[in-house]
Amino acid sequence: DAGITQSPRHKVTETGTPVTLRCHQTENHRYMYWYRQDPGHGLRLIHYSYGVKDTDKGEVSDGYSVSRSKTEDFLLTLESATSSQTSVYFCAISGSLAEQFFGPGTRLTVL
Amino acid sequence: QQQVKQSPQSLIVQKGGISIINCAYENTAFDYFPWYQQFPGKGPALLIAIRPDVSEKKEGRFTISFNKSAKQFSLHIMDSQPGDSATYFCAASKNTGNQFYFGTGTSLTVIP
Repeated sequence: DAGITQSPRHKVTETGTPVTLRCHQTENHRYMYWYRQDPGHGLRLIHYSYGVKDTDKGEVSDGYSVSRSKTEDFLLTLESATSSQTSVYFCAISGSLAEQFFGPGTRLTVL
Repeated sequence: QQQVKQSPQSLIVQKGGISIINCAYENTAFDYFPWYQQFPGKGPALLIAIRPDVSEKKEGRFTISFNKSAKQFSLHIMDSQPGDSATYFCAASKNTGNQFYFGTGTSLTVIP
């Protein structure tokens, strides 16, 4: 596996609480991505980063924010979690605009 | 709106048979078409990819067929094995962009 870790791997939280998911890479890749995976929807891009402090929105960015202060770390924050944000979240990295390597995922449940 | 449409949603194939998964897209600016394989509890992993300058790419038992005029591409798994049982995703992206658009996935079950 590419050097990508995600933490936590599982989290249960309550509606209205803030949640931060962390993606850490050891590959020194420029591009980092956050996706959510839901049955019937496949993988949908939330936000991505093309460098330190350079981020942009994906197709399902509402309710999410991201930060990248170091090449190796990309954080996804749910400011006020809602039940619709219950999902499996995947981080991915890419050294070019081609192949993406995915992390192991974080299963988030919002009660 | 789904940028990449994938079918079927699920597929059951006998061991040794051929598995075929289809995808279609609308945006003619897409120029990179990967297929990902995902096992339960794991992240997707790149299986094989094609660019539109070729009509077919083969790697072992896996083949991508690409029809640029029809804006369709498909994954063929020859001599399917129980170990191929997984979820398969097609995707598309633009070389000048950073966004990948994924299909909704196909759950493949290969029966021994």
